[in-house]
Amino acid sequence: EAQVTQNPRYLITVTGKKLTVTCSQNMNHEYMSWYRQDPGLGLRQIYYSMNVEVTDKGDVPEGYKVSRKEKRNFPLILESPSPNQTSLYFCASQREGYNEQFFGPGTRLTVL
Amino acid sequence: KNQVEQSPQSLIILEGKNCTLQCNYTVSPFSNLRWYKQDTGRGPVSLTIMTFSENTKSNGRYTATLDADTKQSSLHITASQLSDSASYICVVSAGRGFKTIFGAGTRLFVKA
Repeated sequence: EAQVTQNPRYLITVTGKKLTVTCSQNMNHEYMSWYRQDPGLGLRQIYYSMNVEVTDKGDVPEGYKVSRKEKRNFPLILESPSPNQTSLYFCASQREGYNEQFFGPGTRLTVL
Repeated sequence: KNQVEQSPQSLIILEGKNCTLQCNYTVSPFSNLRWYKQDTGRGPVSLTIMTFSENTKSNGRYTATLDADTKQSSLHITASQLSDSASYICVVSAGRGFKTIFGAGTRLFVKA
């Protein structure tokens, strides 16, 4: 089944404790992206990657890092999480030349 | 500044009725416009995708329109069902299509 998977789905952590949210897609898509969704604001793009080893900042990159060492994986790293990073995070992938993005199930992160 | 604005913010309709959701955008250079349906706590799912040259696209009971001159789009839902209760998000892509700007969404409630 073609899909985007994220892990973990739920995470509660404390300020300053490094964490990684994994994202994997099995559709051989070139493009992957991370978003955060907060009430009343809609989804905002954090980082995106157009292919392996090619990443770029979205609208709200501060406090986040990403890497794209393999085509299928695009982890989101929070080196020192803060409470304002409490949010619902979505990973998405897209095939180059096509307009449709496929979203993962979401990761709900709470930083205390 | 690239922006996508949706209205209304929320809407309550009776089952079986029609409704229209609006999306205005200021995104340049325009690549494509998508409407997504997002159930609570889940990832968005694509409904329609339109490029500059398309002014209408249907997907079952969902019909999207695009006026590239006025930079407006609408999503019309016909004969609403209880399962249509969700958030509907307008998304506009710029450039090669990888830079995406999301609207805040319209929350639709369909009542029996």
